[in-house]
Amino acid sequence: EPEVTQTPSHQVTQMGQEVILRCVPISNHLYFYWYRQILGQKVEFLVSFYNNEISEKSEIFDDQFSVERPDGSNFTLKIRSTKLEDSAMYFCAGSRTGSTDTQYFGPGTRLTVL
Amino acid sequence: GIQVEQSPPDLILQEGANSTLRCNFSDSVNNLQWFHQNPWGQLINLFYIPSGTKQNGRLSATTVATERYSLLYISSSQTTDSGVYFCAVDGKDALNFGKGTSLLVTP
Repeated sequence: EPEVTQTPSHQVTQMGQEVILRCVPISNHLYFYWYRQILGQKVEFLVSFYNNEISEKSEIFDDQFSVERPDGSNFTLKIRSTKLEDSAMYFCAGSRTGSTDTQYFGPGTRLTVL
Repeated sequence: GIQVEQSPPDLILQEGANSTLRCNFSDSVNNLQWFHQNPWGQLINLFYIPSGTKQNGRLSATTVATERYSLLYISSSQTTDSGVYFCAVDGKDALNFGKGTSLLVTP
C-alpha cells in the first residue's frame, strides 16, 4: 500500500536557523497539507496546497513559513528563521480530491529548536 | 469554525475490556476520520466515516451525521491499543482535530 514519507524523522536546529521539511506524497494525490502538533496538544492545520499554489492557510502560517512542490513529487515546508515555539511534530498529508476525501498522513518530522 | 469535542479526555482500561470513545461536532460534515496516534507519534488512519457504520477487526465506528456525533468502539482491548485517539472533521479545506482521548490499556 502506498505511503506518505517524510524526512528527516527528527531535526534539531538552533533558533534563527532555516529548516526545510520534506514530504513525498502518494503519487495519485492532488491535494497536500501541512499540520503541526505541539507536544501534548492537538493537531493543527497550517496550509493546504493544490495545483501548485496555496489554497488555504491558518493564522499560524505566517511570513516565516513557505511551501513548494519543486519537482512534482516532493512537497516541502520551509521555516525561514526558527523560533523556540516552532518546536513541534510536523505532519504532511495528502488526498486525491480534497478535504472531503480521506487524508493520508506521513509519519511526521519532530522539530526541536534550541 | 467547526468545533470538535472528544470524550472522555483520558481512559484507563484493563486488557480485554471494551470501550466507547465519543466525538461531537458543531456543524454538518462531509469528512470525518478517526486516527490512532501511537507512542512514536505516528497518526494511523482508522476510519473514514462521514456517516454510517464501519468495522475493522476489533474496532468499529458509527457516525450519526444528523445528530452530529461519532463513536469509536474498541472491543477486547490490547496493550497495543494504547495511545491517543483523534477525531477530525473537514473544515475549510482542511481537517479540524479534536483534542483526543488518551487511552492506556494495562496488562
